[in-house]
Amino acid sequence: DAGVTQSPTHLIKTRGQHVTLRCSPISGHKSVSWYQQVLGQGPQFIFQYYEKEERGRGNFPDRFSARQFPNYSSELNVNALLLGDSALYLCASSLAGGGNTGELFFGEGSRLTVL
Amino acid sequence: GQSLEQPSEVTAVEGAIVQINCTYQTSGFYGLSWYQQHDGGAPTFLSYNALDGLEETGRFSSFLSRSDSYGYLLLQELQMKDSASYFCAVLDRDDKIIFGKGTRLHILP
Repeated sequence: DAGVTQSPTHLIKTRGQHVTLRCSPISGHKSVSWYQQVLGQGPQFIFQYYEKEERGRGNFPDRFSARQFPNYSSELNVNALLLGDSALYLCASSLAGGGNTGELFFGEGSRLTVL
Repeated sequence: GQSLEQPSEVTAVEGAIVQINCTYQTSGFYGLSWYQQHDGGAPTFLSYNALDGLEETGRFSSFLSRSDSYGYLLLQELQMKDSASYFCAVLDRDDKIIFGKGTRLHILP
């Protein structure tokens, strides 16, 4: 079975542009979470979606938005990019939120560089 | 708010035992997870404790004390491949998983 897949794997944008990152969860998983990871730091929670509804939002500006589709795949959108948005964006899926096992399955991430 | 504290770096010798501690403050708590991340890779799940006590999975064990808001990851018979970053993470009452800043484990031959 395929794991969590993310696209694109790497991308370069300039300040002010917008970006769309995509994620396909493991088959059967209904929850998708997005994290931002800056080099040397832990993953920072951005959004969680379950059954196409937003279940949680981290401390990120409104420039960040996301949605989940009927097939449970998800998109993360970031508008008006800033240099500080350069990071690894991780998508993680689970059966239901963190489930009762605290286990998330992560994709390999999308490495965003903003110039 | 939520905060998790863990040492930024730990160094140990191959074949030895190392313990990585984690203390947390959260508005709600269901359990504590541990994740491993190698350079350039994605975090991978190691263990989860919802109840007090020790959980053992092969060379890795994880401990939780809910009354002390404290847990640790114990790695035994260290191997060079265990060199990685280790994150504790809290499953909060809103069903979100919040990560600590991570502990970089260096293993010396």
